Amino acid sequence: ELKVEQNPLFLSMQEGKNYTIYCNYSTTSDRLYWYRQDPGKSLESLFVLLSNGAVKQEGRLMASLDTKARLSTLHITAAVHDLSATYFCAVQGGSEKLVFGKGTKLTVNP
Amino acid sequence: EPEVTQTPSHQVTQMGQEVILRCVPISNHLYFYWYRQILGQKVEFLVSFYNNEISEKSEIFDDQFSVERPDGSNFTLKIRSTKLEDSAMYFCASAKAGALREKLFFGSGTQLSVL
Repeated sequence: ELKVEQNPLFLSMQEGKNYTIYCNYSTTSDRLYWYRQDPGKSLESLFVLLSNGAVKQEGRLMASLDTKARLSTLHITAAVHDLSATYFCAVQGGSEKLVFGKGTKLTVNP
Repeated sequence: EPEVTQTPSHQVTQMGQEVILRCVPISNHLYFYWYRQILGQKVEFLVSFYNNEISEKSEIFDDQFSVERPDGSNFTLKIRSTKLEDSAMYFCASAKAGALREKLFFGSGTQLSVL
């Protein structure tokens, strides 16, 4: 059974600082997604990572995938308050369903 | 940009009552999904639907749940006899091709509260 673990689950950081969220998964995956969720809102797709070594960047966020280590990272550069949200990774393991991690609640303090 | 729309945004019901949650997927999408998120917890897969039938379902999706695409635009989730533990945010999602090939677009969700 595919399991997805994220850490940390809670992250409080100062504006301007850098940090990384980690996503480990237990079995071979076809693809990995990163989603952002604001409180009471839906899931906004940030990145889709398809292959080993894939790296994607959008603004202050950069996601990477290491399929051999079964690890994805979401790196935040020079955080700003607007990045405060919950970030989920989700993994697809050969079926239609996505298996989500528990999410990382990010709070960026001024 | 096209989006998945869900109604209602909030639904309050009494335990044992039937509820129907409605979704209008993006018009040229062929694959449809329901996920749910209990407050403060992770998002969980319920069911996927393609070509007018269920293609995959989770252990959560028991006999109390059913899905239907009654016409060319709507996709519904019915819970026959709600339980307290069904209280959650329910998200509909759609994709142009299967989730294995295309990213999912999620709706804004229906918050279901069972009293």
